[in-house]
Amino acid sequence: ETGVTQTPRHLVMGMTNKKSLKCEQHLGHNAMYWYKQSAKKPLELMFVYSLEERVENNSVPSRFSPECPNSSHLFLHLHTLQPEDSALYLCASSQENTGELYEQYFGPGTRLTVT
Amino acid sequence: GESVGLHLPTLSVQEGDNSIINCAYSNSASDYFIWYKQESGKGPQFIIDIRSNMDKRQGQRVTVLLNKTVKHLSLQIAATQPGDSAVYFCAENISPPGGGADGLTFGKGTHLIIQP
Repeated sequence: ETGVTQTPRHLVMGMTNKKSLKCEQHLGHNAMYWYKQSAKKPLELMFVYSLEERVENNSVPSRFSPECPNSSHLFLHLHTLQPEDSALYLCASSQENTGELYEQYFGPGTRLTVT
Repeated sequence: GESVGLHLPTLSVQEGDNSIINCAYSNSASDYFIWYKQESGKGPQFIIDIRSNMDKRQGQRVTVLLNKTVKHLSLQIAATQPGDSAVYFCAENISPPGGGADGLTFGKGTHLIIQP
């Protein structure tokens, strides 16, 4: 596997379910991100992890809970979601060095439908 | 908060012509800009980036222009091909003090349609 992978690619869940999205990066990067992409809206940043430490939580509801056990893996735990949470959830990774930003590489996304 | 925007939701061009996709940003402190391409069913794919100390950068068939005076970013695609059909997003960021990771702020996207 190369690049950034995400599983599952598609997920349908009820509002009372608990599920998790998984992301894995094979690029040796030290930062990982979760974004939400809804129809007709720009990509929205949800969470940022740098060196496995969360550095940004962009006012995301607590029903979304991220976890970064190591620099290669990132999870998004979902609980009691709402229909408006249906979207494409994208994971990205990048190599961060002091004082300079670099491009982020995205996975294919998980298409989530909340019923 | 401030955000990055695009001028046109859809751009239709003839195959072989040059395409220009525009983006206006509002945060004058932004110092890093990226263009992404997203095909149907896929995640955004990096095309080219530019830092604020430059006003032009060229890649293979693509050129990014940055005009900091009017806070405008553009992507030029030479000799557009059917495979260029996708949604194009610009994104911007500000280097965090002391370095480190930071999320990107994206525009809404322009859907590039290639006419045969």
